[in-house]
Amino acid sequence: QSVLTQPPSVSGAPGQRVTISCTGSSSNIGATYAVHWYQQLPGTAPKLLIYGNRNRPSGVPDRFSGSKSGTSASLAITGLQAEDEADYYCQSYDSSLSAWVFGGGTKLTVL
Amino acid sequence: QITLKESGPTLVKPTQTLTLTCSFSGFSLSTSGVAVGWIRQPPGKALEWLALIYWDDDKRYSPSLKRRLTITKDTSKNQVVLTMTNLDPVDTATYYCAHLPAADTGWNWFDPWGQGTLVIVSS
Repeated sequence: QSVLTQPPSVSGAPGQRVTISCTGSSSNIGATYAVHWYQQLPGTAPKLLIYGNRNRPSGVPDRFSGSKSGTSASLAITGLQAEDEADYYCQSYDSSLSAWVFGGGTKLTVL
Repeated sequence: QITLKESGPTLVKPTQTLTLTCSFSGFSLSTSGVAVGWIRQPPGKALEWLALIYWDDDKRYSPSLKRRLTITKDTSKNQVVLTMTNLDPVDTATYYCAHLPAADTGWNWFDPWGQGTLVIVSS
């Protein structure tokens, strides 16, 4: 069981907006540690999507945005496209474990 | 451009020791704040952080695997090596190494990642 909790799956039609939640605790997200998001397309390595809660690396479309509040964080994807179909993971640091931790992953299906 | 590539055996027998090498280019592991980490992903399952080594040779390990892991670096060869002892079929996974840019502890992120190497533990 992952330290960070994500919904196993979300779906949306092309053009729609979807959000993926990432829930932690007072020893990770709630302790002001940053949340980062990764996109993993089928059969490929994870790719950084959002870092430092809300920052996009160069080349990531502004359709992707991140936010954080309290012990949770969210990834929002607007204008959903077929190419967005992938697994998404959140990541943070846990001070109780002294470990970098990942969420269980969310599979996004574009209907 | 930063690139990383993992190498090592594809098939390992139970109880054996696994040695994986991460060869990288585009950055130096002697640069202040930089780190290289290892993450694994069992087939169809989530990502799991394993170990991390900083530019100053500070080493961190997953609490659940700490007794079985050793991470080292060879700055001159631009390589990081991870060894895992006493392999079990549940250790079957794709193993990734990744670069961590300089950041305060707890704010580190993994970018970029290597392509990963599949390790199967079976007799």
